[in-house]
Amino acid sequence: EAGVVQSPRYKIIEKKQPVAFWCNPISGHNTLYWYLQNLGQGPELLIRYENEEAVDDSQLPKDRFSAERLKGVDSTLKIQPAELGDSAVYLCASSLPGTGEIGELFFGEGSRLTVL
Amino acid sequence: GEDVEQSLFLSVREGDSSVINCTYTDSSSTYLYWYKQEPGAGLQLLTYIFSNMDMKQDQRLTVLLNKKDKHLSLRIADTQTGDSAIYFCAENSNSGYALNFGKGTSLLVTP
Repeated sequence: EAGVVQSPRYKIIEKKQPVAFWCNPISGHNTLYWYLQNLGQGPELLIRYENEEAVDDSQLPKDRFSAERLKGVDSTLKIQPAELGDSAVYLCASSLPGTGEIGELFFGEGSRLTVL
Repeated sequence: GEDVEQSLFLSVREGDSSVINCTYTDSSSTYLYWYKQEPGAGLQLLTYIFSNMDMKQDQRLTVLLNKKDKHLSLRIADTQTGDSAIYFCAENSNSGYALNFGKGTSLLVTP
């Protein structure tokens, strides 16, 4: 069974440029998460989707960050414009219905963003 | 995760036991977790413990929970070089779905 797939794995951009990350969750996983992981830190939740609905986006900086999950499967996370402080790893995770409550999240390998 | 504290580094010799400690603050957490992250990879759930338990054993892994002191530990018996990774302690938030992670403990296993 394929795991959570993210792309691109690495992205280098100049500040003020836009960037987008894509995530394909495990088939059948209704819940999808985007996490931000700064260097030397643990992941921090940006947004959680239940199917196509964003049920928790309280930590998403809405002035420059946006996310969508059309059709309740794939998801994209966009930053526009990117700032130097956005350099981090963006992790996508998914979980089966009913297992999200016990923290059984399956993570992708992450998209590492470097903003110059 | 400022609510979850872990020591940052641990070095052990192959074959020894490793003990990684964690303290958390949210007494309402239902579950507590240990995730493992290998270089260049995503996080992988290692094990979890329900908050009404004080111990859980799974092969080489032993999780101890002291709910009174809000202290969680992960013991790895017979540590192997393949166990070298970053280990994250996490608690679930009040909503049950958002995990608060610690900064991670980098475990180095030397031959």
